[in-house]
Amino acid sequence: DAGVTQSPTHLIKTRGQQVTLRCSPKSGHDTVSWYQQALGQGPQFIFQYYEEEERQRGNFPDRFSGHQFPNYSSELNVNALLLGDSALYLCASSRRGYPYEQYFGPGTRLTVT
Amino acid sequence: QQPVQSPQAVILREGEDAVINCSSSKALYSVHWYRQKHGEAPVFLMILLKGGEQKGHEKISASFNEKKQQSSLYLTASQLSYSGTYFCGTEGAGYSSASKIIFGSGTRLSIRP
Repeated sequence: DAGVTQSPTHLIKTRGQQVTLRCSPKSGHDTVSWYQQALGQGPQFIFQYYEEEERQRGNFPDRFSGHQFPNYSSELNVNALLLGDSALYLCASSRRGYPYEQYFGPGTRLTVT
Repeated sequence: QQPVQSPQAVILREGEDAVINCSSSKALYSVHWYRQKHGEAPVFLMILLKGGEQKGHEKISASFNEKKQQSSLYLTASQLSYSGTYFCGTEGAGYSSASKIIFGSGTRLSIRP
């Protein structure tokens, strides 16, 4: 049973560029949440997708957008990259309903120079 | 509103017990506990729901005081494998907070032989 997978593992981008990160949820899961984790901090909620729609959003600017596909996989897009966007981006999947157990992927380490 | 975790760090000898606390200023529906080892993704440990339902790890227990919006994670007879950073995540009561998990800053646990 494959767990949550993310690609790429690492990414280096320049300020002002755009980036797309990808996530495939655990088998049987239909909900995907994205988190940003700065070094030494807890994951910060970016947004959540269910049924191909954004259902919840954290305090992140519109530069952060996403998409969910019919197969439940998801993309996180970040436009006009800033140095402060450098972080580990985590995808977590879950099955709609309770108890609400989330399973995290290994993350994508984004470095903006 | 980010939950507050305490202590920020704790060092134990193998076999000792530890308690990690998580406190929120908001009414909560659920509390989630995760452990993250260096360079790895957070791993689900336990979820505690309003009303008393729990689901999670066999060797780790937790409590949830709904009235005080507090949760505690109990690590008994700690093993070297328990080392890592523990995060609590809280889900607020109310439709607007549903499924949006807000994480604390973490508690770093180090176990020494």
